[in-house]
Amino acid sequence: GENVEQHPSTLSVQEGDSAVIKCTYSDSASNYFPWYKQELGKGPQLIIDIRSNVGEKKDQRIAVTLNKTAKHFSLHITETQPEDSAVYFCAASQARSGGSYIPTFGRGTSLIVHP
Amino acid sequence: EAGVAQSPRYKIIEKRQSVAFWCNPISGHATLYWYQQILGQGPKLLIQFQNNGVVDDSQLPKDRFSAERLKGVDSTLKIQPAKLEDSAVYLCASSVTDTGNTIYFGEGSWLTVV
Repeated sequence: GENVEQHPSTLSVQEGDSAVIKCTYSDSASNYFPWYKQELGKGPQLIIDIRSNVGEKKDQRIAVTLNKTAKHFSLHITETQPEDSAVYFCAASQARSGGSYIPTFGRGTSLIVHP
Repeated sequence: EAGVAQSPRYKIIEKRQSVAFWCNPISGHATLYWYQQILGQGPKLLIQFQNNGVVDDSQLPKDRFSAERLKGVDSTLKIQPAKLEDSAVYLCASSVTDTGNTIYFGEGSWLTVV
């Protein structure tokens, strides 16, 4: 099955700096890569996603890049703010027989933004 | 619109006892998921329903875990008997369909087994 590795496990930055979280996946058939933000005591919330036919996607201060050849994808957050502090999860998924997608999650990155 | 509802939010039980968690997905969402999230790890899928049928339960420990979605709407996850290693957050999630749509998570049910 799919295996997703995520680094770093903890990332500490100063407010205004950029933050980058990297993930690798093992199954070349994976073609959908969502990123989730989980605040303390809450469920994960989708913040951005990318499909395998696209190399980069941006949404205001966040962007995701995908390198299918190397099987890795990254989340970039610019101009970080204290409210960006949370645990971020990457995931990789593929269509299985019958068309359903099941994402496999990385272990998460705890992002701390210091004011 | 209302999000995914879960109850109870917190539960403490002794090992070998039983526990049940309830989930009501977003209205109109055909696909429902139960995930287990152990502290410091990413969510792991336990079971996926499409309407009231099971699509994937390959990672569900069937000797102690069971889940149902009888009318294709809300769902119950049961653990009996519980073990210490079952201490985790149990996340329910739903999506419109199971073909790559956004998955919306509930806030989770926190289980501590002592």
